[in-house]
Amino acid sequence: DGGITQSPKYLFRKEGQNVTLSCEQNLNHDAMYWYRQDPGQGLRLIYYSQIVNDFQKGDIAEGYSVSREKKESFPLTVTSAQKNPTAFYLCASSDGQGGTEAFFGQGTRLTVV
Amino acid sequence: QKEVEQNSGPLSVPEGAIASLNCTYSDRGSQSFFWYRQYSGKSPELIMSIYSNGDKEDGRFTAQLNKASQYVSLLIRDSQPSDSATYLCALTPQGGSEKLVFGKGMKLTVNP
Repeated sequence: DGGITQSPKYLFRKEGQNVTLSCEQNLNHDAMYWYRQDPGQGLRLIYYSQIVNDFQKGDIAEGYSVSREKKESFPLTVTSAQKNPTAFYLCASSDGQGGTEAFFGQGTRLTVV
Repeated sequence: QKEVEQNSGPLSVPEGAIASLNCTYSDRGSQSFFWYRQYSGKSPELIMSIYSNGDKEDGRFTAQLNKASQYVSLLIRDSQPSDSATYLCALTPQGGSEKLVFGKGMKLTVNP
């Protein structure tokens, strides 16, 4: 089945620790995105990538890093510099052709313990 | 002004009624508009996309776009309890980038 797979579904991070969230897609999409959602809030863009080996900061990139070494994969690292990382993280992809539809993975819920 | 504005609601309608959800946007050059449905604890699911002025119908859902007035709306006819969710408006702003900008969402409750 084609789709977007995020892992893990739940993740717990200790203070001062870096963690990496996985996002893989087999839709052959060029564009991939990471969003953060806090309770009762909309989606805020962290990073996005329109092509392999290139990515752009979104509205809230501080404390996060990404890589796009393969078309299928767009991992997000939440670094210790992110002071309030507890949130629901959503990865999405689109074919990147003129504002086409984006589809989401099932999300990763990150909690700082 | 935020790029995408939605009345956060909540909106409550009786079963069988028409639910009307609205969204305004500030970037006049925005080209593509989307409505997503998000159930509690789940990821957003695309339900409608609209690219040109006018109405687009898909089953019980109708998306309406008015670029001159810079608003996009979603009508849900014959609302069902299963339609109870948060509805997110999204768009791609002008500038050639493919980034997708979201409103904060409107929580809809359909009462049996």
